[in-house]
Amino acid sequence: AQSVTQPDIHITVSEGASLELRCNYSYGATPYLFWYVQSPGQGLQLLLKYFSGDTLVQGIKGFEAEFKRSQSSFNLRKPSVHWSDAAEYFCAVKSNFGNEKLTFGTGTRLTIIP
Amino acid sequence: DARVTQTPRHKVTEMGQEVTMRCQPILGHNTVFWYRQTMMQGLELLAYFRNRAPLDDSGMPKDRFSAEMPDATLATLKIQPSEPRDSAVYFCASGQGQGEETQYFGPGTRLLVL
Repeated sequence: AQSVTQPDIHITVSEGASLELRCNYSYGATPYLFWYVQSPGQGLQLLLKYFSGDTLVQGIKGFEAEFKRSQSSFNLRKPSVHWSDAAEYFCAVKSNFGNEKLTFGTGTRLTIIP
Repeated sequence: DARVTQTPRHKVTEMGQEVTMRCQPILGHNTVFWYRQTMMQGLELLAYFRNRAPLDDSGMPKDRFSAEMPDATLATLKIQPSEPRDSAVYFCASGQGQGEETQYFGPGTRLLVL
């Protein structure tokens, strides 16, 4: 069964600093990988996704993520965070064979300090 | 800007009452998903439909929950009777096609059962 681990429950960074959110997955083959962001009281918005090809994926709002097969990781990065990036971030994995189920990690809450 | 819509956005009810949540998927999307988000369990897939047919409802408590798609523009999730442990945010998401499809989430229905 597929699973996702986000080891950091809460991260605090200063505005303007760089950010890396960790995500590790467990799946027998190369899965489809996603990062979603959830602002308070809102639904989930897709930041970026990886299906195949270039392992460095660019997303919206200046985010990028890198797929590393050898480490079973799909970490999210941003070179300089803005106060508006404060939110909860979810990594998700989906099978590339038939099953449409998205399995989410437990999320990482990002706090930005001035 | 096409979006998934959900009604109601908030619902407070008493234990034992019936609750119906509605979702309008993005026009043209043929797959609809229902998720539940709680602090303890995170995001869980309850059920999903393709072309209005249920494909997987293994995540849904069958004794009190039911999900239907009366037509392509409406999906419903019903709880009868409701219990305090059903208090959560319920998200609907829609997608198009299979495999690489992205799921687009609605704003959610925040349910409180007293």
